Amino acid sequence: QEQLVQSGAEVRKPGDSVKMSCEASGYTFTNYYIHWVRQAPGQGLEWVGTINPGGGSKFFAPKLQVRVTMTRDTSTNTVHMGLNSLKSEDTAVYYCARGGRNAQWSDYMDVWGKGTTLTVSS
Amino acid sequence: EIVMTQSPATLSVSLGETATLSCRASQSISDLAWYQKKPGQPPRLLIYGASTRATGLPARFSGGGSGTDFTLTISSLQSEDSAIYYCQPYNTWPPALTFGGGTKVEIK
Repeated sequence: QEQLVQSGAEVRKPGDSVKMSCEASGYTFTNYYIHWVRQAPGQGLEWVGTINPGGGSKFFAPKLQVRVTMTRDTSTNTVHMGLNSLKSEDTAVYYCARGGRNAQWSDYMDVWGKGTTLTVSS
Repeated sequence: EIVMTQSPATLSVSLGETATLSCRASQSISDLAWYQKKPGQPPRLLIYGASTRATGLPARFSGGGSGTDFTLTISSLQSEDSAIYYCQPYNTWPPALTFGGGTKVEIK
């Protein structure tokens, strides 16, 4: 069945960088965009950015676009999300999620990974 | 940026009763999704296209509305429905995704 498997928890210090991964299986990887959404402790859901695994194009949340990177590896069906110059406010659970329709930027999300917990603390 | 306002912030409903959640957009939108979020779990897609239930979702969950005002109705509330529910517009441009602030559904 379709699933997204995310990498394990990370702990970083302020100013550090982090890279986390999201491996897709059970469907054609290049046909559906991957979105990243985060949830800080006690807060709501916040969109981080979106990547097209087919062509590699990306779109990021304005408040994060200078610090976030996204890449895809079609040989392993994996998307990587990086965040640099980390701040304590980046402490959150980061989810990757598949867009529900073929090749649509602005989309609902129908398959979710279990999340990667990022803790940023000195 | 489209701002989504959900109300109420918290809803306390007795088992077997009906919960009605509201989601209002700052401008007219064409499509809306609803998600259920429980602690320690990823969000779960419930509704897309404002009213289409996701695969396997019980019929007691229903979505409605158009334009700027949307609702999620949970009838015959069960204990496992205790969660936070988020709405999310899509088919927007620019494609910056946003979420409502959430409504917490509690069992009274």
